[in-house]
Amino acid sequence: QSVLTQPPSVSAAPGQKVTISCSGSSSNIGNNYVSWYQQLPGAAPKLLIYDNYKRPSGIPDRFSGSKSGTSATLGITGLQTGDEADYYCGTWDSSLIAAVFGGGTKLTVL
Amino acid sequence: EVQLLESGGGLVQPGGSLRLSCAASGFTFSSYAMSWVRQAPGKGLEWVSAMSGSGVNTYYADSVKGRFTISRDNSKNTLYLQMNTLRAEDTAAYYCAKGHVRFFDYWGRGTLVSVSP
Repeated sequence: QSVLTQPPSVSAAPGQKVTISCSGSSSNIGNNYVSWYQQLPGAAPKLLIYDNYKRPSGIPDRFSGSKSGTSATLGITGLQTGDEADYYCGTWDSSLIAAVFGGGTKLTVL
Repeated sequence: EVQLLESGGGLVQPGGSLRLSCAASGFTFSSYAMSWVRQAPGKGLEWVSAMSGSGVNTYYADSVKGRFTISRDNSKNTLYLQMNTLRAEDTAAYYCAKGHVRFFDYWGRGTLVSVSP
């Protein structure tokens, strides 16, 4: 069971918007930065969002991140079939003294 | 261009040992913390261990503490993970990742470790 809680799956049609939630506690999300990762089928994870809302160079602005209290959200607009992947949230847990991830959310673009 | 290339995975019996390596290039290796993250077949990501850029500070997940040892050779731009007393539940793809507390900005392609009789 993961320290951070994500929905197992989300789906939406091409061109639509989807959000993926990530719930934690004061020892992790509440007091540390959140990052998001995209893992395409058969590939390594790729950083999408860091420091709660910042995008690395090359990541389109269709991807956005936000944080409020002990929860974080990844938003994806203008969905494309190429966005079908597993998405993971991650952060540091100050009590566990460990990096932690959510269980992952499988995005299906119908 | 940042590149991380893992090696050393394979099939090992329960109780056995393996040493993984991660060759890094494209950045000043000694300036960055590095981590190992694993993914069991069909499962999510699990952080395993991290080491500061200087090598002074190390961190481990409870699931591997006392069995795995992380190390680095900054003269060779290489990160290591010595894995002892391996168990079936250690079977996973092991990724080398640049970063630690705030985020992991680059990941290798992974090396597969299978623990089976």
